[in-house]
Amino acid sequence: AQSVSQHNHHVILSEAASLELGCNYSYGGTVNLFWYVQYPGQHLQLLLKYFSGDPLVKGIKGFEAEFIKSKFSFNLRKPSVQWSDTAEYFCAVTPSYGNKLVFGAGTILRVKS
Amino acid sequence: EAEVAQSPRYKITEKSQAVAFWCDPISGHATLYWYRQILGQGPELLVQFQDESVVDDSQLPKDRFSAERLKGVDSTLKIQPAELGDSAMYLCASSLAEGSYNEQFFGPGTRLTVL
Repeated sequence: AQSVSQHNHHVILSEAASLELGCNYSYGGTVNLFWYVQYPGQHLQLLLKYFSGDPLVKGIKGFEAEFIKSKFSFNLRKPSVQWSDTAEYFCAVTPSYGNKLVFGAGTILRVKS
Repeated sequence: EAEVAQSPRYKITEKSQAVAFWCDPISGHATLYWYRQILGQGPELLVQFQDESVVDDSQLPKDRFSAERLKGVDSTLKIQPAELGDSAMYLCASSLAEGSYNEQFFGPGTRLTVL
């Protein structure tokens, strides 16, 4: 069965600091990868996704993620965080030709202004 | 912008009672998902519908949980009887069609507390 591991459950950063959230998955086949974000009081929304091609994908609000197949990783990055990036971030994976999204446990990011 | 609607937003019940949650997906979305999110964990798929048919309910505790989407539009998730361990956020999502290439859009969720 697939599983997703997110390395940190809580991260606290100051504004303008760089962000990297780790995500590793276990699945032997071809996968589609996602990062979802949940801002306080809002519903889960898609931040970015990787299906194929360039392993460096760019999403909304300046976020990007890099797929490293050999490491089964899909880490999320942002060069300079803002207070408004305070949210919970979820990594998710599914087999390329499957339906079932498997989520990690989430990372709560707090950005101090 | 079209959104997935869920009600109620909050539900408090006593164990052994019955509860029901309602979801109205984005218009035209054929695929509907129910997830359970326990505090400190990510969402876990309970059941997936394609139109009115169940595609995957392998993680649904069928002794107490049931889900239906009779006309292939809105859906109801029921728990009877509720247990303490059912306290969680119940999320509904919808997508245009099956398959992970179709983005899932999530509703605001129903937070269930079982006393």
